[in-house]
Amino acid sequence: QVQLVQSGAEVQRPGASVKVSCKTAGYTFNEYDIHWVRQAPGQGLEWMGWINPGSGATKYEHKFQGRVTMTRDTSIRTVYMELNSLTPDDTAMYFCARDLRYGSGLLKKYYFDHWGQGTQVAVSS
Amino acid sequence: QSVLTQPPSASGAPGQRVTISCTGSNSNIGAGYDVQWYQQFPGTAPKVLIYGNSNRPSGVPDRFSGSKSGTSASLAITGLLPDDEADYYCQSFDNNVGGRVFGGGTKVTV
Repeated sequence: QVQLVQSGAEVQRPGASVKVSCKTAGYTFNEYDIHWVRQAPGQGLEWMGWINPGSGATKYEHKFQGRVTMTRDTSIRTVYMELNSLTPDDTAMYFCARDLRYGSGLLKKYYFDHWGQGTQVAVSS
Repeated sequence: QSVLTQPPSASGAPGQRVTISCTGSNSNIGAGYDVQWYQQFPGTAPKVLIYGNSNRPSGVPDRFSGSKSGTSASLAITGLLPDDEADYYCQSFDNNVGGRVFGGGTKVTV
């Protein structure tokens, strides 16, 4: 079965970096984009960007450009999300999610069909 | 401030019907992009309830239904159960963002 298993909780100081992993299993790794979504305490879901595991191509939400890097290691079916220059506002649960295409046409027809369990990142001095 | 607007809360008695609205604009829902709905319980990852505006993945009860019209979409839950107490999020694609966008979420109380 499809599985996305994320790395454990992290505590970082302001100004530091964090790298969260998302190890996948149960499907052809290269065929599905992986997105990252975060959720601050008591807040809603916030999309951060995606990576194509096959090509390594990425797209980041404007807010995170210059501060986030998404990479992958195809040999171990794992994608990574690294966020730099952390501030307390980056304290959140970070989720990876698999993107499933359900239709064709000019407009994007995808939804997140499987999610990782989440990685709690706390930023505090 | 979320790109898609949802009411922060909705409630209903067991067995009743509740609807949640999701209002967007001509750069997302109004541009023709589909809407998805996710259900999230505290401390867990979201789970898709509706994709492509009105389609249910296998395993999702038909008590959940979705629709879209113009720049808005809605999720209806009929025959409310105590287990339906959760947060619900709409999601679409936005041309200005160049990626996915979520609503702010609606907490449903039964």
